[in-house]
Amino acid sequence: KAGVTQTPRYLIKTRGQQVTLSCSPISGHRSVSWYQQTPGQGLQFLFEYFSETQRNKGNFPGRFSGRQFSNSRSEMNVSTLELGDSALYLCASSLVAGTNSPLHFGNGTRLTVT
Amino acid sequence: AQSVTQLGSHVSVSEGALVLLRCNYSSSVPPYLFWYVQYPNQGLQLLLKYTTGATLVKGINGFEAEFKKSETSFHLTKPSAHMSDAAEYFCAGLLNKAAGNKLTFGGGTRVLVKP
Repeated sequence: KAGVTQTPRYLIKTRGQQVTLSCSPISGHRSVSWYQQTPGQGLQFLFEYFSETQRNKGNFPGRFSGRQFSNSRSEMNVSTLELGDSALYLCASSLVAGTNSPLHFGNGTRLTVT
Repeated sequence: AQSVTQLGSHVSVSEGALVLLRCNYSSSVPPYLFWYVQYPNQGLQLLLKYTTGATLVKGINGFEAEFKKSETSFHLTKPSAHMSDAAEYFCAGLLNKAAGNKLTFGGGTRVLVKP
């Protein structure tokens, strides 16, 4: 079974631009979550989607948004990029939510904002 | 506040020595707990997960974790470190089971293995 696939692996953007990151979950997984990883703040939850509905949102500004499609693929968008948005963005999928069914992570998209 | 805490941001061990990584949680009820490992330029790989009722959980690559409710701990161990164990390790908890898959992560422990 193919794992979680995130594209692109690397992105360089300029302040003020917007960016879209893509995530394809493991086949059959309906829950997709996004996390931001930075050296200063560690791993922080962004949001979770299940069956195309956002179930949970972390403590991030409205510039961060996401969506999930009917095939469970997900995208996240960051508008009006700031230098502090530079981070590794990780997508994770799981069969169900709220259980000990583990999250399976992709290799991430490393975003650099200059 | 509910949280997951890892003691020690860096641990250095000799090859063949015991690896012990500490994780404590703060939660009104025992959460679902996990240990993940991250190698450079990669995502997180699941090492093991806590199963309700178990005290000792075995994972991949020779790792295991002991759950102690009285100490609210879920420490990770490996009897004999290998060079390939050099990585960053994260303890994570699903502290609010009604909140879907919102994992709370500890700050991570970077393991250095000396030959």
